[in-house]
Amino acid sequence: GNSVTQMEGPVTLSEEAFLTINCTYTATGYPSLFWYVQYPGEGLQLLLKATKADDKGSNKGFEATYRKETTSFHLEKGSVQVSDSAVYFCALTPLGDSSYKLIFGSGTRLLVRP
Amino acid sequence: EAQVTQNPRYLITVTGKKLTVTCSQNMNHEYMSWYRQDPGLGLRQIYYSMNVEVTDKGDVPEGYKVSRKEKRNFPLILESPSPNQTSLYFCASTGQDEKLFFGSGTQLSVL
Repeated sequence: GNSVTQMEGPVTLSEEAFLTINCTYTATGYPSLFWYVQYPGEGLQLLLKATKADDKGSNKGFEATYRKETTSFHLEKGSVQVSDSAVYFCALTPLGDSSYKLIFGSGTRLLVRP
Repeated sequence: EAQVTQNPRYLITVTGKKLTVTCSQNMNHEYMSWYRQDPGLGLRQIYYSMNVEVTDKGDVPEGYKVSRKEKRNFPLILESPSPNQTSLYFCASTGQDEKLFFGSGTQLSVL
């Protein structure tokens, strides 16, 4: 079946450090892949997406590349800020699924210290 | 401003007392859905609706009902809540390019 696996958190970094949050997936075919971010007390917001192999999604300094050979979609940022502290969710939409359902990973909490 | 509005934000109730969580969107989206968020499990889809009067089960529908009488509203109904339904609930509507817009969430505690 379809599933998403993320690295367990929390991830604790100092400001300006490099960030990687690992995400791998299991799915039939080539699903669309997403990163959503959840700030404290808020709903999830779309951070970036990629819809086909080798696509790179990017937004607010974050980026992730759709790697079909490793079924991965790792999130990276070159220099994190305290304001990036949040929970990050990797997700996919199964190919051919008319329900637009998102399959989420368990989330990774990021804490950035000044 | 484009938004999904859920109410209430916090709700404490007792086992068996029927409750409704409301959800409304102002973006004229056809597709709406409900998710629950539990620690270590991420978000799981409860129900979804592809348009007015068209609803279907998601991955964890047991104990829940929904209705879609109008395009903008998609309430979640717990006819007889139980403690295992204590969770954080999110309503979402889907726009172009599969982008989900989420409400701010409803933290439900069933005693």
